[in-house]
Amino acid sequence: DTEVTQTPKHLVMGMTNKKSLKCEQHMGHRAMYWYKQKAKKPPELMFVYSYEKLSINESVPSRFSPECPNSSLLNLHLHALQPEDSALYLCASSQDPGTGHEQYFGPGTRLTVT
Amino acid sequence: GQNIDQPTEMTATEGAIVQINCTYQTSGFNGLFWYQQHAGEAPTFLSYNVLDGLEEKGRFSSFLSRSKGYSYLLLKELQMKDSASYLCAVRGPSGGSYIPTFGRGTSLIVHP
Repeated sequence: DTEVTQTPKHLVMGMTNKKSLKCEQHMGHRAMYWYKQKAKKPPELMFVYSYEKLSINESVPSRFSPECPNSSLLNLHLHALQPEDSALYLCASSQDPGTGHEQYFGPGTRLTVT
Repeated sequence: GQNIDQPTEMTATEGAIVQINCTYQTSGFNGLFWYQQHAGEAPTFLSYNVLDGLEEKGRFSSFLSRSKGYSYLLLKELQMKDSASYLCAVRGPSGGSYIPTFGRGTSLIVHP
């Protein structure tokens, strides 16, 4: 199984809503990532979890809150978002952040903030 | 940090060969990846180079020169389905780990 799954595929939320994005992998990978991607732009790193601990936070606003309940799951909790936060949110995993292994990406969640 | 440069867009003909270049500057190099991303889909891994030279994988090859801070992705026998964005990603130091940073991507358009 070389798949990273993400739910939901699409999400529309108001600026006062609270929602969560979910990501799951069963490849035994110990590094998991959240990226944000705007149209025609490269993925921008948001967070990195290494062995279930947050190792990198790329100065992301606190309205985005990551959580790693176990080695297979990664969540991104959303609260009080702005319309400019509308984007494709990609989850990825890799065997280990410190080695040369490639990242496996999920299909993404297309988020629209109204 | 890293500075990665690749052309914004390229066009090529079905059946032809195309070379997509990527130049980079980084404070500590630890490998270079190429990913393919179709519109609205997730990036998929194509190749990884950490030593100088050419890595061949079917119709796709990737080359690295660390001294020149340069890589290219070579696509042979182009097919219409190769129309996609091609992302160069360089691993460099970030907070004690080595995390890939993506270039802006090269949009390849293959026409009949």
